[in-house]
Amino acid sequence: SAVISQKPSRDICQRGTSLTIQCQVDSQVTMMFWYRQQPGQSLTLIATANQGSEATYESGFVIDKFPISRPNLTFSTLTVSNMSPEDSSIYLCSVEAGTAYGYTFGSGTRLTVV
Amino acid sequence: AQSVTQPDIHITVSEGASLELRCNYSYGATPYLFWYVQSPGQGLQLLLKYFSGDTLVQGIKGFEAEFKRSQSSFNLRKPSVHWSDAAEYFCAVGGEYTGFQKLVFGTGTRLLVSP
Repeated sequence: SAVISQKPSRDICQRGTSLTIQCQVDSQVTMMFWYRQQPGQSLTLIATANQGSEATYESGFVIDKFPISRPNLTFSTLTVSNMSPEDSSIYLCSVEAGTAYGYTFGSGTRLTVV
Repeated sequence: AQSVTQPDIHITVSEGASLELRCNYSYGATPYLFWYVQSPGQGLQLLLKYFSGDTLVQGIKGFEAEFKRSQSSFNLRKPSVHWSDAAEYFCAVGGEYTGFQKLVFGTGTRLLVSP
């Protein structure tokens, strides 16, 4: 199955600033997914990123707040913009590694906004 | 709407004892079902998945799960728990109804293993 490298693994940021999270996959994948896991909560899908097209955002998430880039089939970034303490979460990227393998997740980025 | 319910927030099991984590789903079509494990500070690791076929699915680390359509359940089991199994366990559902790629996760069950 695919191996995902996600960075940074953690960061502490000031409110009002932005953080860009990178996700690198060791094989070409059609779709990449970005999830948010708020403290003590489950995972919620933020958006789906296709190469060469605009990301598709889930209800409650907007491009201005969470811009996503997908420049090629192995890489994507998620930016958390104009951060507030409510954005403190773990952010994870995921890819579908084929029906035989299911979905693979990165190790996550633990973001704390102060 | 698609949803996953994990009714147990915390479970404590003695090391060597058997384990069953419950998962119930609501889905309007044939579901694809997954169990993931998340160790502290880590990402998610896939334990097992069900797409079709045999309703008893074997996974990694000695875990298995049984799909019961009549009960809308996909419970995770392990016959003998090890201390290293202490982690958060998430059940998830996906499939054609959710555009296949989108997974809906349960709220998770935290497993504690006592000596």
